[in-house]
Amino acid sequence: RKEVEQDPGPFNVPEGATVAFNCTYSNSASQSFFWYRQDCRKEPKLLMSVYSSGNEDGRFTAQLNRASQYISLLIRDSKLSDSATYLCVVTFFTGGGNKLTFGTGTQLKVEL
Amino acid sequence: DAGVIQSPRHEVTEMGQEVTLRCKPISGHNSLFWYRQTMMRGLELLIYFNNNVPIDDSGMPEDRFSAKMPNASFSTLKIQPSEPRDSAVYFCASSLPSGRSGAYEQYFGPGTRLTVT
Repeated sequence: RKEVEQDPGPFNVPEGATVAFNCTYSNSASQSFFWYRQDCRKEPKLLMSVYSSGNEDGRFTAQLNRASQYISLLIRDSKLSDSATYLCVVTFFTGGGNKLTFGTGTQLKVEL
Repeated sequence: DAGVIQSPRHEVTEMGQEVTLRCKPISGHNSLFWYRQTMMRGLELLIYFNNNVPIDDSGMPEDRFSAKMPNASFSTLKIQPSEPRDSAVYFCASSLPSGRSGAYEQYFGPGTRLTVT
């Protein structure tokens, strides 16, 4: 079983739609959780951190369920510019520092 | 700040040749990470350093791969000899030092696109 699993997609949605991505992780000792965004042929960039209580940043909402080892990202009123690959990231402390494990990403295509 | 700087941006080399990738982290960031990204395997952590010391190199695929961080502002990833299956995008990232309470955001460089023929 992969440490971090995501549905690769692609998710093709019309502009204005609401879309949700899910991610599961296998290490129950994981401490920090993030969503990164990667545009085609570009480097990954942090989209948002994921907190236990859930958090929102504009049109984006992230949720964490530690019991089920599950993370989600909800995008409301999707824009063409949201088209990208969304990477789920899980970290755990290894003794010398925090090791990040990336999911393989979910591709989103927002269409007119 | 210029962000994380990587060079070269593109490298095409023949099988058997030595390849050296370079990275300059963001000033003040004590943690540095090397990743490899391919379509098949996604983004894989190869090695990471804290305060110039290698902490976890379990992701380094083979002895052909080696990484150094001689000072806080420079790191190299070397492949010797290179093979076609090493073709990938190699990213360097840096962050503030993290601890038991969790991890900080990692800032990625633009990557080096390596092609080994």
